[in-house]
Amino acid sequence: DQQVKQNSPSLSVQEGRISILNCDYTNSMFDYFLWYKKYPAEGPTFLISISSIKDKNEDGRFTVFLNKSAKHLSLHIVPSQPGDSAVYFCAVRDNYGQNFVFGPGTRLSVLP
Amino acid sequence: DAGVIQSPRHEVTEMGQEVTLRCKPISGHNSLFWYRQTMMRGLELLIYFNNNVPIDDSGMPEDRFSAKMPNASFSTLKIQPSEPRDSAVYFCASSFSGVGELFFGEGSRLTVL
Repeated sequence: DQQVKQNSPSLSVQEGRISILNCDYTNSMFDYFLWYKKYPAEGPTFLISISSIKDKNEDGRFTVFLNKSAKHLSLHIVPSQPGDSAVYFCAVRDNYGQNFVFGPGTRLSVLP
Repeated sequence: DAGVIQSPRHEVTEMGQEVTLRCKPISGHNSLFWYRQTMMRGLELLIYFNNNVPIDDSGMPEDRFSAKMPNASFSTLKIQPSEPRDSAVYFCASSFSGVGELFFGEGSRLTVL
């Protein structure tokens, strides 16, 4: 059973608008949440993270929101740019701090 | 500063052959992970090591897969014998256990004919 779900395999957004990527997890013991971005033929690269003691973390155009009661995580990109087109993976770190579990990814396309 | 280094970047082999993928983690990191990316399952954890010791290998598909970490700066993932269904991109990643994020290599794309 998947511990981390990203129910939208793909998302298309117009340049300049907001992109919202969603992620749900099953285990309330997870304590650290991350978003990774992946371009074709490259490894995933870290984008932004949030600890379970916070509900929001912002870094430039990227903001991650955490709703612990709903076990839901979202990434907002605003304004979206064509260079943001990539696959975005949600990931969680277990409470032992050793293992990272990834969702299946959402392919974002930002249209000029 | 060097990131995670994987080799080879591309490997094409025939069914039944042995495949060895290599990884050098970031210096100072004490956790190392092997992931496999497929269209169907996304990023799937195969095995991870902490301080060179395998902690969880429950993701290793079957006995044809094995992984070793003889020292803090080197790990291998071996498939013997390889099968066409093993075709995927294999990623190595490292981190400092309990602190911060995971850093990935560029991946090894394996094609088994």
